[in-house]
Amino acid sequence: GNSVTQMEGPVTLSEEAFLTINCTYTATGYPSLFWYVQYPGEGLQLLLKATKADDKGSNKGFEATYRKETTSFHLEKGSVQVSDSAVYFCALFRNSGGYQKVTFGIGTKLQVIP
Amino acid sequence: NAGVTQTPKFQVLKTGQSMTLQCAQDMNHNSMYWYRQDPGMGLRLIYYSASEGTTDKGEVPNGYNVSRLNKREFSLRLESAAPSQTSVYFCASGVGGVTLRGGPQHFGDGTRLSIL
Repeated sequence: GNSVTQMEGPVTLSEEAFLTINCTYTATGYPSLFWYVQYPGEGLQLLLKATKADDKGSNKGFEATYRKETTSFHLEKGSVQVSDSAVYFCALFRNSGGYQKVTFGIGTKLQVIP
Repeated sequence: NAGVTQTPKFQVLKTGQSMTLQCAQDMNHNSMYWYRQDPGMGLRLIYYSASEGTTDKGEVPNGYNVSRLNKREFSLRLESAAPSQTSVYFCASGVGGVTLRGGPQHFGDGTRLSIL
């Protein structure tokens, strides 16, 4: 079946550090891949997405490249800020039985300290 | 502001009590979803409604029922609450339609539910 693997964390970084949050997936066919962000006390917000291999999604300084050869979609940011502290979810969208179904990872908590 | 509104934000119940979580969206979206979020397990889909008038089970439907009251509203009911249902519940909506195209695109802020 479909699955998404990411570390739960927390990942603790100092402000202005480089961020990588790993995401790997298992799926047949050609899924789309998404990153969502959840700030404390709020619901999830779509951060970025990539719909085919080698696509790069980007938003708010975050980037992720869809790597089919390594089945990965790692989230990166060059210089994190305290305001980036949140939980980040990797998600896989795949067409199955006429529906587009979503599988979420467990979420990785990021803590950025001043 | 446009979005997904959930009520209540917090609730404490005793085992065996019932309650309904309310959700409304004002973006004219076709599809709506209910998820629960638990530590170490991420988001799990309870029920979804691809379009007005239809509802279907997700990964973890046992102990829950839903009603798609109209295009805007999608409620989740716990008939007899159990401690295992202690969780944070999120409603979401998406453009979707019968294929659930685009998945859940907008989420509410969640309902934190504790069952004693």
